[in-house]
Amino acid sequence: ETGVTQTPRHLVMGMTNKKSLKCEQHLGHNAMYWYKQSAKKPLELMFVYNFKEQTENNSVPSRFSPECPNSSHLFLHLHTLQPEDSALYLCASSQGSRSTDTQYFGPGTRLTVL
Amino acid sequence: AQKVTQAQTEISVVEKEDVTLDCVYETRDTTYYLFWYKQPPSGELVFLIRRNSFDEQNEISGRYSWNFQKSTSSFNFTITASQVVDSAVYFCALSGYGGSQGNLIFGKGTKLSVKP
Repeated sequence: ETGVTQTPRHLVMGMTNKKSLKCEQHLGHNAMYWYKQSAKKPLELMFVYNFKEQTENNSVPSRFSPECPNSSHLFLHLHTLQPEDSALYLCASSQGSRSTDTQYFGPGTRLTVL
Repeated sequence: AQKVTQAQTEISVVEKEDVTLDCVYETRDTTYYLFWYKQPPSGELVFLIRRNSFDEQNEISGRYSWNFQKSTSSFNFTITASQVVDSAVYFCALSGYGGSQGNLIFGKGTKLSVKP
């Protein structure tokens, strides 16, 4: 089974919509991450969860709301987004959240905000 | 501050050519880790290699090889006899104890196009 899965793979939403991105990891890892990848910008870390607890919020606007019900699942709830939020959203997981832990990524959700 | 620079934005080669992707990093940490990831058009970042700062031995894996030189703060990636399937964006990344928990610092990536 694929290590890290993300659904949906593509999402188009209006600025007033509410939607959620889902990530699931099948690697037995304890840490999960959300990244944003915009055109012409380096990957930006958004959130880090370790053992279901949020350990990092990289100054992300409140219109992005993460949820981690268990170590295998991670959600990103979206509401009242802006067109500049259009990007590829990548989920990753690692054994722990130390710098020594290799992060494994999912295929991403391509989000378009109209 | 930590920083990763991939000066080559795009590289185009013909199949079977060798190609080297450059990566230069900055960090004040004495212990740190360097990574390379491949991002094919499908979007998923595929982990290729992790190297810690105390291990300067070069590594070879099939057609892939990595040259880590602390003296020049570089961690370059060479693909020998490139193939069309190597076409992707390649990212170099850095993590260290001085950074935030779990924070991988990525370069901007190098887009490699291998033409038949």
